[in-house]
Amino acid sequence: KNQVEQSPQSLIILEGKNCTLQCNYTVSPFSNLRWYKQDTGRGPVSLTIMTFSENTKSNGRYTATLDADTKQSSLHITASQLSDSASYICVVSAGNNNDMRFGAGTRLTVKP
Amino acid sequence: EAGVTQFPSHSVIEKGQTVTLRCDPISGHDNLYWYRRVMGKEIKFLLHFVKESKQDESGMPNNRFLAERTGGTYSTLKVQPAELEDSGVYFCASSQGNRLAAEGELFFGEGSRLTVL
Repeated sequence: KNQVEQSPQSLIILEGKNCTLQCNYTVSPFSNLRWYKQDTGRGPVSLTIMTFSENTKSNGRYTATLDADTKQSSLHITASQLSDSASYICVVSAGNNNDMRFGAGTRLTVKP
Repeated sequence: EAGVTQFPSHSVIEKGQTVTLRCDPISGHDNLYWYRRVMGKEIKFLLHFVKESKQDESGMPNNRFLAERTGGTYSTLKVQPAELEDSGVYFCASSQGNRLAAEGELFFGEGSRLTVL
């Protein structure tokens, strides 16, 4: 079982709508959590990085939240655009070794 | 400034053949990582270089995989002989500092897709 679970696996929304992607993790001890956006055929690009003490972080229309107690994170996308169509990957780093655990990603499709 | 570049973008080989993937990190980045994504699965760590030294190669699946980073600049990942299960996308990433640091940014290349027939 993967230590980073993402949901939903895929999501289709209409342009202009909001959506929220979920990430649950069991990685311990926790160091930081990152959200990446990966366009088809491209490499992952960092959206946000959060440490244990940070509850929320924004990057434009992307807002990530972190609840370190429940080990959950979410990525909220506001006023979606066609260019938001991509895979969104949650990555959690453990604090005791050089280890980043990747979620399988959520495939988001934004339709006009 | 050029990002992380990988070559080839796609390689199709037959089982038993050899393939060499190349990664050029961002200039000045001492840390270089190789990752792999097998179809339908999550991205998994293969190994980590600090300059020319292998810092961690715990993710390398077996001795058919050989990574080098001579001179601490570009890196190669050779698969010999290739097996069907080696098919996937191989990503390279680089960073200036330790990736565990919150401010440490990890930059990915576009990946090399390997198909073993």
